[in-house]
Amino acid sequence: AQKITQTQPGMFVQEKEAVTLDCTYDTSDPSYGLFWYKQPSSGEMIFLIYQGSYDQQNATEGRYSLNFQKARKSANLVISASQLGDSAMYFCAMRSGYALNFGKGTSLLVTP
Amino acid sequence: NAGVTQTPKFRILKIGQSMTLQCAQDMNHNYMYWYRQDPGMGLKLIYYSVGAGITDKGEVPNGYNVSRSTTEDFPLRLELAAPSQTSVYFCASSYTSRETQYFGPGTRLLVL
Repeated sequence: AQKITQTQPGMFVQEKEAVTLDCTYDTSDPSYGLFWYKQPSSGEMIFLIYQGSYDQQNATEGRYSLNFQKARKSANLVISASQLGDSAMYFCAMRSGYALNFGKGTSLLVTP
Repeated sequence: NAGVTQTPKFRILKIGQSMTLQCAQDMNHNYMYWYRQDPGMGLKLIYYSVGAGITDKGEVPNGYNVSRSTTEDFPLRLELAAPSQTSVYFCASSYTSRETQYFGPGTRLLVL
């Protein structure tokens, strides 16, 4: 069975600092995809970044990067230069067949 | 493009009532999905569709039904609402099963 684990229920970071949100996964499939979504207090799910299991390089999208360590089965999200608007829930997800399996999320609070 | 749209945004149902949650996408995506998000949790797949006329169950299908008569629309039907169906419901779509799923704004449902 595939499983996503996010061990940090809540994180604090000061504005303009970088923060890493942890995600580990468990799968026996050689081909899989890892996603990060942001859920602000307004409730919508916003796609941030994607990493394929065969991708050689870590994914980057603006201030977001994914630290993909395949042997350790980890896919941590790094947010550089945090902004107040980054305060939200962040979910790691793995594609499993047709579905996305989600972790329980990490709540990030960016302080001035 | 409007992306994925959902109606209503919020609804209160009495136990035993029925309702249909509407979902539409204008991205010509083949794949559509219904997820539910319970408080403090990630999302769980209810049903999905790989194209018009083709649907299948996800992880938590009990108490729900779906249909897909067009590429654009994927309504979710709740029959005999129960308090356990109190949740936030998200519709999503993707071009293929391997590509990013894009989510609608969600429908918050309260069953009393």
